[in-house]
Amino acid sequence: DAGVIQSPRHEVTEMGQEVTLRCKPISGHDYLFWYRQTMMRGLELLIYFNNNVPIDDSGMPEDRFSAKMPNASFSTLKIQPSEPRDSAVYFCASSNYPGAGYNEQFFGPGTRLTVL
Amino acid sequence: DAKTTQPTSMDCAEGRAANLPCNHSTISGNEYVYWYRQIHSQGPQYIIHGLKNNETNEMASLIITEDRKSSTLILPHATLRDTAVYYCIVRVEGYSTLTFGKGTMLLVSP
Repeated sequence: DAGVIQSPRHEVTEMGQEVTLRCKPISGHDYLFWYRQTMMRGLELLIYFNNNVPIDDSGMPEDRFSAKMPNASFSTLKIQPSEPRDSAVYFCASSNYPGAGYNEQFFGPGTRLTVL
Repeated sequence: DAKTTQPTSMDCAEGRAANLPCNHSTISGNEYVYWYRQIHSQGPQYIIHGLKNNETNEMASLIITEDRKSSTLILPHATLRDTAVYYCIVRVEGYSTLTFGKGTMLLVSP
């Protein structure tokens, strides 16, 4: 398995532009997570899905952020309009149902977003 | 979830054992201890988890004190590639999400 795939790996855009980040989870995983990592705030959970359904989006910073999972093999995180403070590394992760204490999330390589 | 406390940074000589402590004094009976690490510019990676017994796998060992208020992650023979931020996370069984704190920056030097 290729692991969690994210694209693009790097994105540079100007303030006000729409940005779409993409994620392909590991086949067979029921859960998909979107995280954001900055020096100031560390690694934050933005939203997660179970069986393609959004379960908790309380970490989404504001209405400019939206996430979808149209099928089990694809998810997007969209920022519209983007702002310089959105600059961060965005990680996607996937996992199976956590049972018997086992809770391993597999992370993608991340998308480094720079908003000028 | 119980709060965890980890040192900000630690140093270790290559080839020596790295012992990373974590304090979780308010842990409850159904909470597990998880360890992840994040090598620079990569996503976090699962290392090991435990409830109350000591655990070992090909990457590391996890020692949990009898009262479960603290734990230690042991990398028996640290290499330069083990330089990373190590996160100790406490979570109730069955919950899918994890909350990452600031972790411990481990620097392994030649």
